[in-house]
Amino acid sequence: KNEVEQSPQNLTAQEGEFITINCSYSVGISALHWLQQHPGGGIVSLFMLSSGKKKHGRLIATINIQEKHSSLHITASHPRDSAVYICAAFNTDKLIFGTGTRLQVFP
Amino acid sequence: NAGVTQTPKFQVLKTGQSMTLQCAQDMNHNSMYWYRQDPGMGLRLIYYSASEGTTDKGEVPNGYNVSRLNKREFSLRLESAAPSQTSVYFCASSDEGIQETQYFGPGTRLLVL
Repeated sequence: KNEVEQSPQNLTAQEGEFITINCSYSVGISALHWLQQHPGGGIVSLFMLSSGKKKHGRLIATINIQEKHSSLHITASHPRDSAVYICAAFNTDKLIFGTGTRLQVFP
Repeated sequence: NAGVTQTPKFQVLKTGQSMTLQCAQDMNHNSMYWYRQDPGMGLRLIYYSASEGTTDKGEVPNGYNVSRLNKREFSLRLESAAPSQTSVYFCASSDEGIQETQYFGPGTRLLVL
């Protein structure tokens, strides 16, 4: 079993829908990152959080340390949100990456 | 301000050949990293450099060497390429340490025949 698991693996949505991507981890962590990998391959860091919630534009990330779970929400999704979303958990001295959730948003 | 740059973007090697992947950052970051990304797997750390003059092994260091040439540059060398090293390689940097927000280069797609 992977230490960091994401669900779903693949997600399709219609433009305007509310999207939720989940990340669960089995190890103790002090921070969790969400990253976006564009179709062209580039990777951008979206959030780093250790508690509570963060918001940037239409993106919201939450984390529940006790339940070892984080979610990334996208409100009013748009085709340009189509990408792979990756969570990564910081444990002791290493970053453990999930395998990603591929999101496709259709007009 | 280019961020993190990598060269080359794409490379084809024959088994046994050597090559160096170059990475440079202009954000004055102390820490730099090399990752590989393979289908169906998360990013895996090959080597990292916490600060200029230091390098440490990551999760999958076998078959690779690194050089932190100066604060800006961190290169990854494959001495004798193997088909198992076919992958996409990403360089990244952060201000202080692996737990901080990392900034990624565009990636190098390597095919070893």
